Order: sequence, then C-alpha cells, then structure tokens
Amino acid sequence: QITLKESGPTLVKPTQTLTLTCTFSGFSLSTSGVGVGWIRQPPGKALEWLALIYWDDDKRYSPSLRNRLTITKDTSKNKVVLTMTNMDPVDTATYYCAHVLCYDNNAYYHEYVQQWGQGTLVTVSS
Amino acid sequence: NFMLTQPHSVSESPGKTVTISCTRNSGNIASNSVQWYQQRPGSSPTTVIYEDKQRPSGVPDRFSASIDSSSNSASLSISGLKTEDEADYYCQSYDTNNHWVFGGGTKLTVL
Repeated sequence: QITLKESGPTLVKPTQTLTLTCTFSGFSLSTSGVGVGWIRQPPGKALEWLALIYWDDDKRYSPSLRNRLTITKDTSKNKVVLTMTNMDPVDTATYYCAHVLCYDNNAYYHEYVQQWGQGTLVTVSS
Repeated sequence: NFMLTQPHSVSESPGKTVTISCTRNSGNIASNSVQWYQQRPGSSPTTVIYEDKQRPSGVPDRFSASIDSSSNSASLSISGLKTEDEADYYCQSYDTNNHWVFGGGTKLTVL
C-alpha cells in the first residue's frame, strides 16, 4: 500500500523560505519509473503543479516558479523535500505530494499520479 | 506553454450521464496523454483516468474518457450518476518538457 504524508510549517512569514517534507512508504524512489511530485491548491482554487523528481534524480519545475523551487530526495529515508523561497501571501495553499508512475506505451511516454498525499495547508502571513 | 480550459460547472440528475470537456488551446491534445482527477469536498484528489482513457483499479466503469483531435479536447463522461460523484474534476496533461498543466477544474453537481 502506497502512502505519502506532507509535513512542514503551517504558518510562514512573507519573504521566508518554506521547507516541506514528503515522507512515503510502499515504494522506493530508486525504482525505475517512479517519481514524486508536488502540487498545490490555493483555497477555493484549482490545482497547480510545482515540481517533480524522478528515480534517476532528474528534476522538473514549473516554469513560472522555477527560480523559487528546489526539490531533492533522500532515497534511503523515503523522503522528498521541496523548498520554496521568498514566500508571499499568494502562496497560501494546500500543498500535496504525490507518487507518480512513469512509463512508455506504444512508443509514447506517460506519467500520472497513482497516489496523492493528504495535503498540508500552509498560510503565508505576517 | 499551453492551457487547458474546462467549464466552471456542470449539473445533472442522478442516473443520467454527464460529460466534462477539457480543451487545449495550443498544440495537439493527442501529443501528450490526459489524466482526470476527482476531488470530493474536503479531500485530496484521486485519479479516475490516466493515459487518456485508462481507469485505475477500483474506479467504476461508469467513468470513461476520450480524446477528440478535431476539437483539440478531451472529455470525461460519467454515466449512471450517483450523489457520491459530486466533486470537482480536473484534467491534466504535460508538454514535451514534462511540465504539467492542470485545467481550471469543473464542479459537478448531482441534483
């Protein structure tokens, strides 16, 4: 059974750096075809993709947030960490981590979320 | 990058069929697979469709999806609507650099 749980501060001040940890079980991030992604959702708004790290340590970032994001993994501890610098009130959101499957089928590449975490609400306020 | 546009809301009666569209504004909808996620109120999203039309195990076959290149859109259909289907639904795809894009979400009301 795959589970993921996000942890980190619930309140950060503007300009501070946010550090979120995704602790997972039921899979290894050293297995080919596996990734862990971060997605956020401001209150009452849509989902927004942030970043993704793959089993081979390849990384992808949202183009609009690339300069503020860093994603890393600790395979031995089953953890993925996301840092976001220069936090602003508009960054107030529920942050989800997710288990992503990556594979080829019929000469096309695919990836999708197989399992979502429960999410953690981060509020940015002074 | 491209955008995925969904209707803000749809509504239908129990037992009926509803279809939610997801239109890609640039690039070919068929060039990268489309996923659909269901998010019930107060809950995390769950995956109901991946790779355009595949259902994860445990998702009932009342959920189906397709791609229409002529309209450059994807569609999610839910037949035999139940009150438990009331949720927000999001489509998602990605570009050639594997940057993900989510649609704005559609609120499904089953009344």
